[in-house]
Amino acid sequence: DTAVSQTPKYLVTQMGNDKSIKCEQNLGHDTMYWYKQDSKKFLKIMFSYNNKELIINETVPNRFSPKSPDKAHLNLHINSLELGDSAVYFCASSPTRDRGNEQYFGPGTRLTVT
Amino acid sequence: GEDVEQSLFLSVREGDSSVINCTYTDSSSTYLYWYKQEPGAGLQLLTYIFSNMDMKQDQRLTVLLNKKDKHLSLRIADTQTGDSAIYFCAESTYDYKLSFGAGTTVTVRA
Repeated sequence: DTAVSQTPKYLVTQMGNDKSIKCEQNLGHDTMYWYKQDSKKFLKIMFSYNNKELIINETVPNRFSPKSPDKAHLNLHINSLELGDSAVYFCASSPTRDRGNEQYFGPGTRLTVT
Repeated sequence: GEDVEQSLFLSVREGDSSVINCTYTDSSSTYLYWYKQEPGAGLQLLTYIFSNMDMKQDQRLTVLLNKKDKHLSLRIADTQTGDSAIYFCAESTYDYKLSFGAGTTVTVRA
């Protein structure tokens, strides 16, 4: 009965590898988000999709590519991983784009690049 | 980020009230939020206030908004050990992107 789930919870990989993080929400929400939380706990939005359409694309390297196969899923693929990509990545969802105030967060994926 | 500022740490005795402060810069903010993050967990929306309100109360939580000074506070009455967490202030504007502060780590001591 988890509302927003992410897999994997932990991901340890080497520099240069390509990895994906998956997110699913069973709340029936239209809008989903990816956030990055760095080691100082600073949270910054990366992307947002509304009904599979990209609506927010912050200044993020091209190595990061989100994909939304349907409105319940938003995956994040990262190419050529770098040390600076180490962070906790949070997925979130909201009922609609206009109700972005009601964002529900997943438990996070801790990515460690060695 | 730089648009939302919070003090980084707060230590409070169990049973006392906690007050966490936040300042923001965007006068067009529509909603202001408080999120709680417990260790190893995601963010949990505690409460939010619309920008045309001055105060909102929800059980032990009281949110005060001073729009003129762009100051937001969260008061937790009768603080318990389970309230130990990081509290994030956030604002959203017309495009509903959330901008978060750096978080205030609240430690409740017995």
